[in-house]
Amino acid sequence: GAGVSQSPSNKVTEKGKDVELRCDPISGHTALYWYRQRLGQGLEFLIYFQGNSAPDKSGLPSDRFSAERTGESVSTLTIQRTQQEDSAVYLCASSLWTGRDTDTQYFGPGTRLTVL
Amino acid sequence: QKEVEQDPGPLSVPEGAIVSLNCTYSNSAFQYFMWYRQYSRKGPELLMYTYSSGNKEDGRFTAQVDKSSKYISLFIRDSQPSDSATYLCAMSAGDYKLSFGAGTTVTVRA
Repeated sequence: GAGVSQSPSNKVTEKGKDVELRCDPISGHTALYWYRQRLGQGLEFLIYFQGNSAPDKSGLPSDRFSAERTGESVSTLTIQRTQQEDSAVYLCASSLWTGRDTDTQYFGPGTRLTVL
Repeated sequence: QKEVEQDPGPLSVPEGAIVSLNCTYSNSAFQYFMWYRQYSRKGPELLMYTYSSGNKEDGRFTAQVDKSSKYISLFIRDSQPSDSATYLCAMSAGDYKLSFGAGTTVTVRA
């Protein structure tokens, strides 16, 4: 079936502008995750959704970052007043939720954000 | 100190060689260990998933976990140019939160 999709694939914006990044998870996956990948660094956890609620937002770097999810479907990550340090690849992943162990997370191709 | 350490390389090997990758970690609560492969401009894809200590083999890939040393390894036998990618280790304590290494970039020369 279809994998996780993300849009746009690339986004170039000017400092101070707001951006919205979209994620479409695999159908039937109740859990959804956002990560940030800076150049030369590992993936950094941002937020986790179970259905449309976000029990863990601990990785969001500042109040300029927010995310929402509609039901068990699309999620949007919004960055307000973008800064140059926000430049990174933003990856979305989804998984089933078995309530035990660590469920396999399936990643999308990412959105490459460049803030000028 | 980072929770997961991984040498970023780059690593360049001739086709057919064995590729050896490893990560060390500091959190003794980690029980689940994963290796992801990431091609350029693509998302990571899961290669190997191991619980606790021991070895796991899947085709040309072998994952090893030594919890006593807090050290995990991935070996790729008979490497092919198509194995050229960045390899990320990841681990968790049993919940959804994965801690990733920085990734090692591997090039297999034809």
